[in-house]
Amino acid sequence: GNSVTQMEGPVTLSEEAFLTINCTYTATGYPSLFWYVQYPGEGLQLLLKATKADDKGSNKGFEATYRKETTSFHLEKGSVQVSDSAVYFCALSKGHTGGFKTIFGAGTRLFVKA
Amino acid sequence: GAGVSQTPSNKVTEKGKYVELRCDPISGHTALYWYRQSLGQGPEFLIYFQGTGAADDSGLPNDRFFAVRPEGSVSTLKIQRTERGDSAVYLCASSLDAGNTEAFFGQGTRLTVV
Repeated sequence: GNSVTQMEGPVTLSEEAFLTINCTYTATGYPSLFWYVQYPGEGLQLLLKATKADDKGSNKGFEATYRKETTSFHLEKGSVQVSDSAVYFCALSKGHTGGFKTIFGAGTRLFVKA
Repeated sequence: GAGVSQTPSNKVTEKGKYVELRCDPISGHTALYWYRQSLGQGPEFLIYFQGTGAADDSGLPNDRFFAVRPEGSVSTLKIQRTERGDSAVYLCASSLDAGNTEAFFGQGTRLTVV
């Protein structure tokens, strides 16, 4: 079945450090891939997405490239801020019986220190 | 409304009781999803509605869980004979239609069974 695996946290970085959170997926066909973010006390928010191979999703300085050959969608940011502290979820969505349920990874908690 | 609204935001109930959780999707969104997020985990799919009908209920854990969407807008997730293991955050999401991969999430209802 379809699944998502992401690196375990927590990840602790100093401000302005480079961030990578690894994500790999298992799916038949061509899913859409997402990163969602959950800030403390808030709901899930879509951070970025990519709908086909080699697409790059980007938002708020974060980027992720859809790599079909390695079935990966790693999240990167060149210089993190304290305000980026949150839980990040990699996810995929694939058509099924007329709908697109989303399958999530377990989440990676990021702490950024000033 | 502007976003997906879930009520109540918190619910504490005694083991064995019946609970109802409500979701108001974004106006005009025909697809509606329920997820359950246990502590430290990513959201897990429960059920998907397209319009009034449940198109996929494969994620419901057992027959104590039931959901309805009688008029194709508001949905209610119903849990009978609650157990402590049902404690989690229940998330609702909606998308424009069944062919749209991007889902918008509510802030969730935190259910605690004591």
